[in-house]
Amino acid sequence: GAGVSQSPSNKVTEKGKDVELRCDPISGHTALYWYRQSLGQGLEFLIYFQGNSAPDKSGLPSDRFSAERTGGSVSTLTIQRTQQEDSAVYLCASSWDGGELFFGEGSRLTVL
Amino acid sequence: DQQVKQNSPSLSVQEGRISILNCDYTNSMFDYFLWYKKYPAEGPTFLISISSIKDKNEDGRFTVFLNKSAKHLSLHIVPSQPGDSAVYFCAASANTGKLIFGQGTTLQVKP
Repeated sequence: GAGVSQSPSNKVTEKGKDVELRCDPISGHTALYWYRQSLGQGLEFLIYFQGNSAPDKSGLPSDRFSAERTGGSVSTLTIQRTQQEDSAVYLCASSWDGGELFFGEGSRLTVL
Repeated sequence: DQQVKQNSPSLSVQEGRISILNCDYTNSMFDYFLWYKKYPAEGPTFLISISSIKDKNEDGRFTVFLNKSAKHLSLHIVPSQPGDSAVYFCAASANTGKLIFGQGTTLQVKP
């Protein structure tokens, strides 16, 4: 597709389970970002991949969160042992180096 | 540490009038600023940007002003239209490329 694609669009899970969220960026974009938006909150930076450089993980809230980007394209955000406070919309975005970000529609995670 | 702040969570204006959304930042290393617009259940979409070498950038009904000494930027929408009703996020980056977003301001334009 032409845009950033995220899956699943909705995920309901039980507390303590692991979840994986997937992002397919726009083809050729070198940068990929993960943000999350909790209810009533702004966009919280999580992690940033740029080309072959080491990712900027400074926004990950705990060691239960991890992300990888395989082959410089698809990215997976993994949340282990989910907690209720992890409930949020997780947004992925991609860009050319230094260019504007194009966002996906997000994955809404609900932890019961 | 909130490096980018939008202190007004909401704004309501009448159709045809000017909407002014404000944003403050604390990191003097920021050199690129953007505004994004977000409708419910959609991802944010890019609206307008400005680099630190400029103090104004205009695109149609949208103008962004940057005051570096005050570490303040604003988005002006004139005339405002009901379709402009959305959440507006300002964002900033230093030369690292990482974008830091504000909390967002919900704009409601009343017909």
